[in-house]
Amino acid sequence: ETGVTQTPRHLVMGMTNKKSLKCEQHLGHNAMYWYKQSAKKPLELMFVYNFKEQTENNSVPSRFSPECPNSSHLFLHLHTLQPEDSALYLCASSQDKTGGSGNTIYFGEGSWLTVV
Amino acid sequence: QKEVEQNSGPLSVPEGAIASLNCTYSDRGSQSFFWYRQYSGKSPELIMFIYSNGDKEDGRFTAQLNKASQYVSLLIRDSQPSDSATYLCAVNNHNAGKSTFGDGTTLTVKP
Repeated sequence: ETGVTQTPRHLVMGMTNKKSLKCEQHLGHNAMYWYKQSAKKPLELMFVYNFKEQTENNSVPSRFSPECPNSSHLFLHLHTLQPEDSALYLCASSQDKTGGSGNTIYFGEGSWLTVV
Repeated sequence: QKEVEQNSGPLSVPEGAIASLNCTYSDRGSQSFFWYRQYSGKSPELIMFIYSNGDKEDGRFTAQLNKASQYVSLLIRDSQPSDSATYLCAVNNHNAGKSTFGDGTTLTVKP
C-alpha cells in the first residue's frame, strides 16, 4: 500500500464511451502525475499537476482530459478512445515538483484499460 | 540521445550471483537518483534512492553514484528468483522540477 489509490483497477470500454479514471493520494503530496504504460513499453509521462495547476502535458491527444480539483485527487477523463490506447494507466504523487527531499514518486496500483 | 539510458536486457543471472544494473543520464543538473522495481503486471515500487557520490547499501541492494561520470548503478547481491522484474532508473533535477525515467532493464534470476 503506497498511499496512492486508483479506481477502477480494470476497465473495458467501447470506442464511443466516456469514462473516468480516479486517483486519490493520502500522503499530503502536492504533485500528481498520470503515466501510461503499454505492453512491454516504457513509462510515458502524460500529465503533471503541481499544487492543482497543470505544469506539463506531453503532447497527449485531447481524447484524454485530466482534472485536478485539489491536491489529493486527480482524474483522467476518457472519451472516444482508440484500441491502441489500451494500456496500464498509472497515477503517482510526490511531495512537490520543484524540489524537496528527493522528490520520491509513489505510484498507485494502476488502472488496466482495454478499449474495444 | 535519451536523457536516461539503461541497458534494455534482458539480463539473466543464476541464483546467488550478483546482478549489476546500470544507468547513465545526460542532465548534469540532476541531483537525486532512484531505482524502482516493477513486477510484470504491477506498478513500480521504490527500492532505493541516492543523492551523494559513492555507495549506499540497503540489505542485498547497493546503489552506486558517480556524478562526474553521470552514472548510477544498482547491485543486487545473492540474487533470488523473486528479484526477477524490470528495474527502472529515475533521475530528478529539483531546480527544473523534472523527474525522468529510463526505459528499464529486465532481470531474470534463474534457479
